[in-house]
Amino acid sequence: QKEVEQDPGPLSVPEGAIVSLNCTYSNSAFQYFMWYRQYSRKGPELLMYTYSSGNKEDGRFTAQVDKSSKYISLFIRDSQPSDSATYLCAVRGGSQGNLIFGKGTKLSVKP
Amino acid sequence: DSGVTQTPKHLITATGQRVTLRCSPRSGDLSVYWYQQSLDQGLQFLIQYYNGEERAKGNILERFSAQQFPDLHSELNLSSLELGDSALYFCASSVGQTSYTGELFFGEGSRLTVL
Repeated sequence: QKEVEQDPGPLSVPEGAIVSLNCTYSNSAFQYFMWYRQYSRKGPELLMYTYSSGNKEDGRFTAQVDKSSKYISLFIRDSQPSDSATYLCAVRGGSQGNLIFGKGTKLSVKP
Repeated sequence: DSGVTQTPKHLITATGQRVTLRCSPRSGDLSVYWYQQSLDQGLQFLIQYYNGEERAKGNILERFSAQQFPDLHSELNLSSLELGDSALYFCASSVGQTSYTGELFFGEGSRLTVL
């Protein structure tokens, strides 16, 4: 079983839709969870991070961690064409605390 | 612009060859990380250097090696290249040894094509 699993999509939604992106992870010891956004031909950039369980909100973005089910979610409200990108979840884990990434979900928001 | 510079942006070479990828971290960042991104494997951690010393090692092949120089720039050397080494190679940097917030600053990557 991979340490972080993420549905690669692609996911296509109309502008204004609520988007839900999800990952599962295998190790209950993981405590730090991140979402990165990667535009085409660019490097990933950190969107949000959360520590342990709970929700974190930043504008139109909400990150949610459910440690009981080992589930990580990112919600995007009022999605915009500029949100079109690949979204990668990540956990801080491994034997040396390095970041472990999911494969990414490609999102397309149509005007 | 993340402040991390990677060269070259694109590289095409043949099997069996050797290439060097170069990375300059953000000003003030002491850690440099190398990642490989492919469609089937996603973003895979290769190796981390902190202030010139190797700090963490991931799924890096023996044919690959890296180093960080006194001016903190880093190089990733890939030798005896195989078709399967074709991928995007990213360099990232952070201030400390461990980024608890998970914030790594990524460059735009070097796209390697092995023919």
